[in-house]
Amino acid sequence: EVQLVESGGGLVQPGGSLRLSCAASGFTLSTYEMNWVRQAPGKGLEWVSYISSSGNTMYYADSVNGRFTISRDNAKNSLYLQMNSLRAEDTAVYYCARGRALGPDYWGQGTLVTVSS
Amino acid sequence: QTVVTQEPSLTVSPGGAVTLTCASSTGAVTSGFYPSWFQQKPGQAPRALVYSTSNKHSWTPARFSGSLLGGKAALTLSGVQPEDEAEYYCLLYYGGYWVFGGGTKLTVL
Repeated sequence: EVQLVESGGGLVQPGGSLRLSCAASGFTLSTYEMNWVRQAPGKGLEWVSYISSSGNTMYYADSVNGRFTISRDNAKNSLYLQMNSLRAEDTAVYYCARGRALGPDYWGQGTLVTVSS
Repeated sequence: QTVVTQEPSLTVSPGGAVTLTCASSTGAVTSGFYPSWFQQKPGQAPRALVYSTSNKHSWTPARFSGSLLGGKAALTLSGVQPEDEAEYYCLLYYGGYWVFGGGTKLTVL
């Protein structure tokens, strides 16, 4: 059974940093592209970042480019999102999602990040 | 800034049919945008329904189908069930980034 479990969310002050993790199981992580998608409270979905199966190619939404870094450790079956210079508008539930044919198929349950003083 | 537009809300009767659409501010949506569709119910994570325009996942009910219609991506529900009441999102690929539509709230009434 494919499972994606996010962790690392919490309350952080504006300007602070946080590192999200996504533990993958039930499939071989190294053969799949991965994404981070977020959803602000009461709002729609926003694509955040993509990483290729090898980790050689990364893409970012303009809203996070230069502040967030996606990475993966296939040996540890884990995906990461390093978030720096956090702003109030980064407050959201962050989902990791497995990629298939340039669209996510399996999604985790999400981890809440709250940026507030 | 690229904008993907969906109907904000639609209402359908149980057993009826409804088509949700997904338009791009850059012009006509083609298969090269790899349109995908997702369903989200309150308090739950999104669930993928369709990928690459019209391909269904193994868990996608047969009553859901994806297509291209009049320059837009489309998701058609036939024989709507009460449990289909949810928010539906489309996602388009622009070659190096993706953009979600704003979502369509589907009410089954």
